[in-house]
Amino acid sequence: LAKTTQPISMDSYEGQEVNITCSHNNIATNDYITWYQQFPSQGPRFIIQGYKTKVTNEVASLFIPADRKSSTLSLPRVSLSDTAVYYCLVGDMVYNNDMRFGAGTRLTVKP
Amino acid sequence: DAMVIQNPRYQVTQFGKPVTLSCSQTLNHNVMYWYQQKSSQAPKLLFHYYDKDFNNEADTPDNFQSRRPNTSFCFLDIRSPGLGDAAMYLCATSRAYREVGYQPQHFGDGTRLSIL
Repeated sequence: LAKTTQPISMDSYEGQEVNITCSHNNIATNDYITWYQQFPSQGPRFIIQGYKTKVTNEVASLFIPADRKSSTLSLPRVSLSDTAVYYCLVGDMVYNNDMRFGAGTRLTVKP
Repeated sequence: DAMVIQNPRYQVTQFGKPVTLSCSQTLNHNVMYWYQQKSSQAPKLLFHYYDKDFNNEADTPDNFQSRRPNTSFCFLDIRSPGLGDAAMYLCATSRAYREVGYQPQHFGDGTRLSIL
């Protein structure tokens, strides 16, 4: 599985857009990129998944450049309730995908 | 709502006393996973079932075992808990097809295990 690198922590303020970048230099052809969110004392929650270019859903966007060696999770207009740990996972959808979590990014949203 | 349910949310056991954690799902997913998450750390995969096929991670201690009697239920057995096994244990499910691979996982809210 491709190793991922994320910032350990980030701070933001309510109403701002937050971009969390994940590096995955040895991503393989069959690998997808998946992001999860985890609140304290809860299990991780799926946010978004993509393979290339841009993916958008009701809560986030995922930007993936052409070389796919990194990806950026974009959270528009964050609120205090977006304070959580965000995990980027990269894995092969065919044989063995996003089972192994990296260290994650602890996002703190301030008033 | 379809979901992944873990019981109990909190479990206390004594050092060396076997303990079983349970997980049930109403999603009818064919893959079930068990993770261990210690404080301020990322979840660590222990093992998973693809249908009835058990897949153990190479670094999962023998002290940890699992059973999946049917599609809906999966159990984590810790045969002789040590102090280092105190953690949150997370169960997850996903749908996987050999043609398209695994889909994103759905997690329960975990069982927090304390060892006295």
